[in-house]
Amino acid sequence: DSGVTQTPKHLITATGQRVTLRCSPRSGDLSVYWYQQSLDQGLQFLIQYYNGEERAKGNILERFSAQQFPDLHSELNLSSLELGDSALYFCASSVVAGPQNEQFFGPGTRLTVL
Amino acid sequence: AQSVTQPDIHITVSEGASLELRCNYSYGATPYLFWYVQSPGQGLQLLLKYFSGDTLVQGIKGFEAEFKRSQSSFNLRKPSVHWSDAAEYFCALNNQAGTALIFGKGTTLSVSS
Repeated sequence: DSGVTQTPKHLITATGQRVTLRCSPRSGDLSVYWYQQSLDQGLQFLIQYYNGEERAKGNILERFSAQQFPDLHSELNLSSLELGDSALYFCASSVVAGPQNEQFFGPGTRLTVL
Repeated sequence: AQSVTQPDIHITVSEGASLELRCNYSYGATPYLFWYVQSPGQGLQLLLKYFSGDTLVQGIKGFEAEFKRSQSSFNLRKPSVHWSDAAEYFCALNNQAGTALIFGKGTTLSVSS
């Protein structure tokens, strides 16, 4: 158990819908990262937050957005869902933001768009 | 551009045999390199990491990796594989700012008895 929690574990929804994925980082970790894992694209970085502020963006679609709240939990919002958004979404956290800091991964949320 | 390549999509090793998983990276500066393991239905667990210093790093579960700058490689090794090692293994590179991990496509390890 990494200490990073993600809810829900599974999510099944329809095209055009909007969903929210939630992540609670390890106690004391200030930085949160979101990754998408799909069969065709592999593991891709979406976005990073550090202590409530957006720090870096990766291959995140405009239909997707995220935020980190004062209690440091984070939410990833996916809207106007398409079939291709079906994937495993991971949240990771680290103590601070820096290349030497290990990122601890949650168990992921599996999103299925029908 | 920064990238990580894992040339082997799938490897099968007999239980008790040695293992080497290949990883090549492309990065202009000193790389920060990681190996993660993902068991079915699980998140990613860090096996080991390399930042600087000794080029042979030891990790958990009996794994080790060797950094070779001249070959831009960071191969993962284990002298004797156990059935429980069957999983997907990812090599990753962190950029200098530490804002994102760049992952390879992964290598699936199967262990035969």
